[in-house]
Amino acid sequence: AQKITQTQPGMFVQEKEAVTLDCTYDTSDPSYGLFWYKQPSSGEMIFLIYQGSYDQQNATEGRYSLNFQKARKSANLVISASQLGDSAMYFCASLDDSWGKLQFGAGTQVVVTP
Amino acid sequence: DTAVSQTPKYLVTQMGNDKSIKCEQNLGHDTMYWYKQDSKKFLKIMFSYNNKELIINETVPNRFSPKSPDKAHLNLHINSLELGDSAVYFCASSLGQGMETQYFGPGTRLLVL
Repeated sequence: AQKITQTQPGMFVQEKEAVTLDCTYDTSDPSYGLFWYKQPSSGEMIFLIYQGSYDQQNATEGRYSLNFQKARKSANLVISASQLGDSAMYFCASLDDSWGKLQFGAGTQVVVTP
Repeated sequence: DTAVSQTPKYLVTQMGNDKSIKCEQNLGHDTMYWYKQDSKKFLKIMFSYNNKELIINETVPNRFSPKSPDKAHLNLHINSLELGDSAVYFCASSLGQGMETQYFGPGTRLLVL
């Protein structure tokens, strides 16, 4: 089974700055998918971005980009030009089987300050 | 239009009671899931159904029983509630099994007193 590690329990970032959230994974399966979700204080889980293990390009979605380094088994999320509304818990997750068993990391709490 | 909806949003109940949480998705997805988020925010899959068929059944007490009347609905029934069942329960859905993005409902906060 895949293991996801998010080493940053929490971080502060100033508005308009970029922030990188770390995520490493551990799998021997050549085919896997990596996901990032945002959980604001209201509690819902919002899908942000996806990276497939065979994708050649790093995924981007608006201000979100995924820095995928396959050899290092890392899939860091970069949020550019942080906004106050980006304050939330961010989860890295992975799928490495055909059953859809999404494995989550422990999450990183981001606080954006004015 | 809400894509994945859950009812109720909050559930406060006494130990020993039986309760149900309902989930509906209007995305036309074939696969639905239940996840549990504990007090430390850790998320873990409990069950998944693909086209009304049980696919994933993690190590969950058999007091928890999912039911899928059709592929747009997945309900979770919990018997004999215990204090440790207090958590946020999320329903999710995806187009199919496997390497598909899962979209989550708003969560149901269950508090067992």
